Amino acid sequence: SAVISQKPSRDICQRGTSLTIQCQVDSQVTMMFWYRQQPGQSLTLIATANQGSEATYESGFVIDKFPISRPNLTFSTLTVSNMSPEDSSIYLCSVEEYGLAGGYEQYFGPGTRLTVT
Amino acid sequence: QKEVEQNSGPLSVPEGAIASLNCTYSDRGSQSFFWYRQYSGKSPELIMFIYSNGDKEDGRFTAQLNKASQYVSLLIRDSQPSDSATYLCAVIGTSYDKVIFGPGTSLSVIP
Repeated sequence: SAVISQKPSRDICQRGTSLTIQCQVDSQVTMMFWYRQQPGQSLTLIATANQGSEATYESGFVIDKFPISRPNLTFSTLTVSNMSPEDSSIYLCSVEEYGLAGGYEQYFGPGTRLTVT
Repeated sequence: QKEVEQNSGPLSVPEGAIASLNCTYSDRGSQSFFWYRQYSGKSPELIMFIYSNGDKEDGRFTAQLNKASQYVSLLIRDSQPSDSATYLCAVIGTSYDKVIFGPGTSLSVIP
């Protein structure tokens, strides 16, 4: 499976500021995803990022708050803008690969733990 | 109705026992089903996937799929304390455009 790295691994930020999270994959992938996982909760999909097109956002998430870039097939960034304490969460990058068993499999990066004070 | 539902948990089993984790899904056209394990403070790790009705075994893990009942389960045989984690059921729906995750079941294996 693809090896996924994220930077930063964690950060503490002041409200009103913005943080950009980077996701790097060691192979070319078509589909990349950004998730949020709030404490004690499951994963919530923020958006799907495809190279060469605008990101597709899920209900409740907007581009002004979570702008995403996807400049090539191995890299993506997620920015959390104008942060508030409610944005404190783990942000996870994920990629989809076509597996040997004949179906799509999804793998996750290590996550970025964000705390907003 | 939520798209993917799981046992509310937490589930506690003694070491060496079989742990049974259950998941139901609402999209009858779903084709791909996954189980992820997530240790506290870590990201989800894909441990099993299943596409066809029946059982799929991998070491101590067995995934079971029944599309007619819209039910998928994960059995962990000879449970070990290192299996203590949250297990997330995930499904790719008919639209094939994204994976839907269940709320997760917390498993605790007691030595």
